[in-house]
Amino acid sequence: DTAVSQTPKYLVTQMGNDKSIKCEQNLGHDTMYWYKQDSKKFLKIMFSYNNKELIINETVPNRFSPKSPDKAHLNLHINSLELGDSAVYFCASSQDPAGGREQYFGPGTRLTVT
Amino acid sequence: GESVGLHLPTLSVQEGDNSIINCAYSNSASDYFIWYKQESGKGPQFIIDIRSNMDKRQGQRVTVLLNKTVKHLSLQIAATQPGDSAVYFCAENTGTASKLTFGTGTRLQVTL
Repeated sequence: DTAVSQTPKYLVTQMGNDKSIKCEQNLGHDTMYWYKQDSKKFLKIMFSYNNKELIINETVPNRFSPKSPDKAHLNLHINSLELGDSAVYFCASSQDPAGGREQYFGPGTRLTVT
Repeated sequence: GESVGLHLPTLSVQEGDNSIINCAYSNSASDYFIWYKQESGKGPQFIIDIRSNMDKRQGQRVTVLLNKTVKHLSLQIAATQPGDSAVYFCAENTGTASKLTFGTGTRLQVTL
């Protein structure tokens, strides 16, 4: 019955590797997001997709590439991982892209780059 | 630039007391605000929201107050319980897209 799910929950990898995080939502929402939460708990949006189309792309290194195969899934691929990529990554979804809608968050993926 | 901030990084209250968590925002164009609760090891969980055409909104044991004159948002939790211990975030949206800007968070510690 999980509304927004992410895999894996923990990811430990070495610098220079390429990794992916997967996200799925079963809420029937049209819009999905990726957020990064740093060690100080600061949450910042990275990307937003509406019905498989990119609508928000914050200043994120192009090593990060989101992919949305359908509106229920939004995956995040990261190339050439760096130490500074270590963080917790949250996927979220909302009913539509208009402002003023609550977003439902997944449990997070803790990425540790060594 | 636009920012959403919190006055107190950590708030400690006794069980049964009321808690007030404050948030200052700087974007006067923001028209929608949300409070989230994040427990350790979990994702942010929606608590309550308010639109800019309202001053107050109540939920179960929670009340959000919005003062647009001074760009201030607060979350009041009545009869605080140990299960309320978490980090609380305010977030704002300017309505032009689905982008939420989060504040820095306040850790609420409930003591017995």
